[in-house]
Amino acid sequence: NAGVTQTPKFRILKIGQSMTLQCTQDMNHNYMYWYRQDPGMGLKLIYYSVGAGITDKGEVPNGYNVSRSTTEDFPLRLELAAPSQTSVYFCASSTSGTGPYEQYFGPGTRLTVT
Amino acid sequence: DAKTTQPTSMDCAEGRAANLPCNHSTISGNEYVYWYRQIHSQGPQYIIHGLKNNETNEMASLIITEDRKSSTLILPHATLRDTAVYYCIVLGNYGQNFVFGPGTRLSVLP
Repeated sequence: NAGVTQTPKFRILKIGQSMTLQCTQDMNHNYMYWYRQDPGMGLKLIYYSVGAGITDKGEVPNGYNVSRSTTEDFPLRLELAAPSQTSVYFCASSTSGTGPYEQYFGPGTRLTVT
Repeated sequence: DAKTTQPTSMDCAEGRAANLPCNHSTISGNEYVYWYRQIHSQGPQYIIHGLKNNETNEMASLIITEDRKSSTLILPHATLRDTAVYYCIVLGNYGQNFVFGPGTRLSVLP
């Protein structure tokens, strides 16, 4: 199993550009998550999904969109990139049901907006 | 979900036990305590979790007080590779909303 994979590893965007961060998991997990981590800080939840076709906002959803058309994929879309979105983005997945949960994290995408 | 408080940083000598405390005084009866760690800029890695009993696995031990208001993660023989930020998280039974605070930065010193 590859686990959770993310692409790209690094990206530099200009202000106002858009991009999609890709996330794929091969563990047949129903739950998937997107986090961002600013330098020296903990992770903040952007969006999560409890299954294909179902998504919900986390703590910091503004400026982002997600979709979940398959169990495996959970892309994160940035529209009109801003310097405040410079961060490291982590995707994670976990099993569903009544818990407890162990989240498996991808290696991250380091995004710089200039 | 209950909030947690952890010390900002700790040092530990290589080969000694590292004891990382966490306070979660507002934890409720169905909430679990999870520990994760993040080495350098990698994705967080699951370590252990527990509800009320003490737990042990190949990585660490988790000691939860009887009133469940605090817990301690124990790395029995810390190595340099255990240098990382350690996060204590409390989460209920339908655990979508993991909240990662700033964690404890553990430095294992040679």
